Amino acid sequence: GENVEQHPSTLSVQEGDSAVIKCTYSDSASNYFPWYKQELGKRPQLIIDIRSNVGEKKDQRIAVTLNKTAKHFSLHITETQPEDSAVYFCAASMRGNKLVFGAGTILRVKS
Amino acid sequence: NAGVTQTPKFRILKIGQSMTLQCAQDMNHNYMYWYRQDPGMGLKLIYYSVGAGITDKGEVPNGYNVSRSTTEDFPLRLELAAPSQTSVYFCASSYSWEENSPLHFGNGTRLTVT
Repeated sequence: GENVEQHPSTLSVQEGDSAVIKCTYSDSASNYFPWYKQELGKRPQLIIDIRSNVGEKKDQRIAVTLNKTAKHFSLHITETQPEDSAVYFCAASMRGNKLVFGAGTILRVKS
Repeated sequence: NAGVTQTPKFRILKIGQSMTLQCAQDMNHNYMYWYRQDPGMGLKLIYYSVGAGITDKGEVPNGYNVSRSTTEDFPLRLELAAPSQTSVYFCASSYSWEENSPLHFGNGTRLTVT
């Protein structure tokens, strides 16, 4: 079926360390891969996205890498700060213009 | 622009009651979506629409119906509410699948069925 698997489900890091969240997808036709951040009680907000013709994209402390052959993509956050603590969701476009989300990763940055 | 507007913000339903969750966007987006988010869980796609008059099922459509008579509005209908439908419902819209064309979410509707 069409699904996106996300790991780990929870991640605790020390302030200043890096955090990596990984996702795999099932649909080989997927070509758009966004990442969303959701703070407690709020709506998800886009933080970075990548299309399948690009292998890596960076925006300040955040980067996303994509391996289309292996059908996986990852979010990298460097120099983590307490305000990075939130739930992070990966997503992948599926046939028919659907966007399917992973189950989410709770990131805790300890100061 | 107001973005994506959802009403109501909160609702408590009794088992078997019906209700419509309203969603409107003023960004002239073609794509609109309904997701549900259970506590501590991810977003599950209920229904989506790629344009006025076109709707399709997502991952968890059972117990719901939608319509898309205009570009702006995408209401979600619950006909016979069940406790399993207790969740936070997010409506979202986007212009395209181009990079940096994000999915815009509404603020959500928190629904409790007792």
